[in-house]
This record gives sequence, structure tokens and C-alpha cells, in this order.
Amino acid sequence: EAGVAQSPRYKIIEKRQSVAFWCNPISGHATLYWYQQILGQGPKLLIQFQNNGVVDDSQLPKDRFSAERLKGVDSTLKIQPAKLEDSAVYLCASSRVAGNLNSPLHFGNGTRLTVT
Amino acid sequence: AQSVTQLDSQVPVFEEAPVELRCNYSSSVSVYLFWYVQYPNQGLQLLLKYLSGSTLVESINGFEAEFNKSQTSFHLRKPSVHISDTAEYFCAVSDFSGSEKLVFGKGTKLTVNP
Repeated sequence: EAGVAQSPRYKIIEKRQSVAFWCNPISGHATLYWYQQILGQGPKLLIQFQNNGVVDDSQLPKDRFSAERLKGVDSTLKIQPAKLEDSAVYLCASSRVAGNLNSPLHFGNGTRLTVT
Repeated sequence: AQSVTQLDSQVPVFEEAPVELRCNYSSSVSVYLFWYVQYPNQGLQLLLKYLSGSTLVESINGFEAEFNKSQTSFHLRKPSVHISDTAEYFCAVSDFSGSEKLVFGKGTKLTVNP
């Protein structure tokens, strides 16, 4: 099966600019996650969707970050305006069934964002 | 809230040597434990997981990890590493209480030298 697709692969922007990332999960996967991985740290969950509804966005900086998952398939994550500390790899992951411990997360290759 | 500590940020070893990557966690509730691997320029992949039952879990490529509740540890071991095992390894914990939030450690970069 095709994996989780993310684009772009790399993005360089100046602070205060806006940026958007796109994710296409594995077909049939109901649950979608966005993680932020800052250099030297482990991934941190930003938001979790179940179909097109938000399950957990407690760690999403809502003053500048937004995410949507239209029609319960593709998702976009936006940052507006970007700050230097937003430089990180943004990982998208999906799983077939929420709450099923035997349904593993599949990660995309990520989008590496550099804010200058 | 849970937290994960990976005690070594970098572990260099020679090919065919044994390796142990250390992971300790803290949580006030029962947890589920995972090891993920990230090869260069690739996404994270699940290596193995502990959900319940036998405290020793194995992966298909020779890694194993043992859940030790009294020491709150989930160390990853391999008796003989290969060059292809060079990657970054992340330990993660989840309590699956409503949200499936995985809390990751900072990662350990394993470098296998010839």
C-alpha cells in the first residue's frame, strides 16, 4: 500500500511569513496526526483528527497554527505568521482505527521548515 | 502526564558488537511502550511495542526490548548490530486515555562503524 504522502519536502521562509503543509494519509485510515519535531528533540503531537473532527489539539499554538481535514482525507497545517522557533520537521501520521493498540501509526517523511 | 528519558543521545558501536539503547519513562497510570526507528531521510517506523503479556518483545530484525515496571524502563537491545542498523531510535509512551497521544523521548542516534 502507498505510504503517507507529505509535501513540500523542504520549505524556507522568512519570519512573519505564512506557510502551509499538505498530508495525504494511507487510504482508509480514519485517524490523522500532525507532529512537530524540533532538531534534537522527539516528535511532539500538535493535533489529532478522527475522520474530519478534532480529537486533541491541546498542544497546538492556536494563535498562529491552524489545521483542517476536509472530507476526512487530506489535511493541511498552516502557520501564520511564522516565528524562528517554528523551524522544525513537521510529520504527518495516520492509523486505520483509533483506540486500537494493534493499529500502528504510519509516518510520512515530513516537511522540513526553516524560518530565517 | 507521561515523560520519556533516553539517556544517551549518541551511541557509536562497531559492527557485530552488542548494543543497548536505554529508555526510562514516568507515568502515574499504566502505559504502553514503543520503539520507533528513523533511518536517514525517511519517516518514523514502528520497531516494536509492549502492550501487555510477556514483558520481552522482539522485532523482526533482531532487536528486543524488555518492559521492567519496577525500574520504569524499556531498554532496547541487539546482540549483534549491522551497518544497516545505523539510524535514530525513539522511545515513546502512551496511556491511550481518550487521545492516542504518543510522548516521545529525544532520540538516540546509533552509528554502526565497520
